[in-house]
Amino acid sequence: DVKVTQSSRYLVKRTGEKVFLECVQDMDHENMFWYRQDPGLGLRLIYFSYDVKMKEKGDIPEGYSVSREKKERFSLILESASTNQTSMYLCASSLLSVAKNIQYFGAGTRLSVL
Amino acid sequence: EDKVVQSPLSLVVHEGDTVTLNCSYEVTNFRSLLWYKQEKKAPTFLFMLTSSGIEKKSGRLSSILDKKELFSILNITATQTGDSAVYLCAVLPNAGGTSYGKLTFGQGTILTVHP
Repeated sequence: DVKVTQSSRYLVKRTGEKVFLECVQDMDHENMFWYRQDPGLGLRLIYFSYDVKMKEKGDIPEGYSVSREKKERFSLILESASTNQTSMYLCASSLLSVAKNIQYFGAGTRLSVL
Repeated sequence: EDKVVQSPLSLVVHEGDTVTLNCSYEVTNFRSLLWYKQEKKAPTFLFMLTSSGIEKKSGRLSSILDKKELFSILNITATQTGDSAVYLCAVLPNAGGTSYGKLTFGQGTILTVHP
């Protein structure tokens, strides 16, 4: 079974803090993704990566950065957390293969910025 | 810009009812449509649909794609309380370019099944 593990289920931070969200997958997937999920808005893509050290902006990258130093690990960084970044953050991974391009998700990190 | 719209946004039914969830899309370079189920944790994959008119089935759940009319439906028959979840629809673009592998999601349908 594919396993995507996010380091924290719940996180409470203060405005202005630097926040790291970690994601690890154990299936040697090339692609990794970070989404945020807000009521009524569905999942919105923040950043994704299709290879080590490669990153692409998604639909809402402002206020976020990412790091992919190893194939299995994809980190989301909030340089200076703000209250409007309070949300559920979901990490996902997938193979690059056309026939098997299904994204598998982690359990999510619910971040509250006070 | 790719767009996915799900309807209804929420639905309340009783056990044993049959439900139909809708997903329409506008995508520049369509390859596949995916359905996920999300309870209070990670979205879990249900179906991937690539060809029109071919029904995918898993137990009481089934789904079909209409590439001409640009929509898909997810049917759940004989609903159970365990079917209560958010159902997410997403589209996957065709291979090529850095957008490859990137899903565009709809808002989700919240299904509540009462005993």
